[in-house]
Amino acid sequence: AQSVTQLGSHVSVSEGALVLLRCNYSSSVPPYLFWYVQYPNQGLQLLLKYTTGATLVKGINGFEAEFKKSETSFHLTKPSAHMSDAAEYFCAVTATQGGSEKLVFGKGMKLTVNP
Amino acid sequence: DAGVIQSPRHEVTEMGQEVTLRCKPISGHNSLFWYRQTMMRGLELLIYFNNNVPIDDSGMPEDRFSAKMPNASFSTLKIQPSEPRDSAVYFCASRYLDWGGTDTQYFGPGTRLTVL
Repeated sequence: AQSVTQLGSHVSVSEGALVLLRCNYSSSVPPYLFWYVQYPNQGLQLLLKYTTGATLVKGINGFEAEFKKSETSFHLTKPSAHMSDAAEYFCAVTATQGGSEKLVFGKGMKLTVNP
Repeated sequence: DAGVIQSPRHEVTEMGQEVTLRCKPISGHNSLFWYRQTMMRGLELLIYFNNNVPIDDSGMPEDRFSAKMPNASFSTLKIQPSEPRDSAVYFCASRYLDWGGTDTQYFGPGTRLTVL
């Protein structure tokens, strides 16, 4: 069965520092991978996704992620954190069941950005 | 497009009462998902529909929960009777699924349910 692991639940960085949020996946088939962001009191918003092709995926707000099959990873990065990046970030992988697809989400990672 | 619309945004009710949450998916989307989010359990998929047909309801906690999708533009999630442990934020999401399509789901703003 497909799954994702986001180790830890909270990351704290200084404004201007590198943001690195880790995600490892498990999938028996080529995966589609996603990062969603949730700002306080809002729904989840797609940040970026990997389907096929280029393994380095660029998303909104300066975020990017690299699909590494050999490491079964899809870590999210941003070179320089901004205060507005404070949110919770979810990694997800597609799972196929009965010919239909759904998303399996990680437990989420809360990012705090300190001034 | 207005995005996924959920109502109400906040609901406070007393234990034992019936609660109905509503969702209007993005026009043209053919899949709809109901999720529940709590601090303890994170984001849980409750049920999803493809072309108005329930595909997977294995996440529905118990018989007190039921969901319907009478047409492509409307879905409800009902809890009867409600219990304090049902307090959570309930999200609806929709997507357009076609052959070879990717699974980009678009989330609504959520309904914050408090059962006293």
